[in-house]
Amino acid sequence: KQEVTQIPAALSVPEGENLVLNCSFTDSAIYNLQWFRQDPGKGLTSLLLIQSSQREQTSGRLNASLDKSSGRSTLYIAASQPGDSATYLCAVNSGNQFYFGTGTSLTVIP
Amino acid sequence: KAGVTQTPRYLIKTRGQQVTLSCSPISGHRSVSWYQQTPGQGLQFLFEYFSETQRNKGNFPGRFSGRQFSNSRSEMNVSTLELGDSALYLCASSETGGRYYSPLHFGNGTRLTVT
Repeated sequence: KQEVTQIPAALSVPEGENLVLNCSFTDSAIYNLQWFRQDPGKGLTSLLLIQSSQREQTSGRLNASLDKSSGRSTLYIAASQPGDSATYLCAVNSGNQFYFGTGTSLTVIP
Repeated sequence: KAGVTQTPRYLIKTRGQQVTLSCSPISGHRSVSWYQQTPGQGLQFLFEYFSETQRNKGNFPGRFSGRQFSNSRSEMNVSTLELGDSALYLCASSETGGRYYSPLHFGNGTRLTVT
């Protein structure tokens, strides 16, 4: 069974800093990986989707990379802003279902 | 396009009762999946429907069931509610589902409290 781990569980940074969130998974036979953000009491907002044949995806200040062989993905956030404060989750698609990590709670301090 | 709509937003039920949650996917999306989110277990997959057929199922007891209608709207039913069923229930839709999943789009969820 696929297991997804996100480290750190919580992160606090000053505004303007660049940061990296990590996601690791145990089974490299994946179809794709998706990064989400979740604001308190709300659903998940899709940030980036990386197909298994891709190495990275970029959207604005966000860049996600995927290394299937090592079972790792990273989400890079450039020039962080207070509005980036949220919980970030990665989800791995394998066996025709998504397996979610427990998330990294990010706080950006003005 | 309108996003994924889940109703109701909040529900309070008593142990032993049953409940039905509704999800309307984004127009044109044929895959609808359901997830349970709790502080202790995180997000766990319940099941996925595609073109009215249940295609995948997570590791939940038979008290949890669902269905999908011809317009892709989906319902989830939980019978004989237990205190541990208190959670945020999230619905997600995608164009394709399956191994070539297009991105998942989530609704804001239904917060179920069982007393």
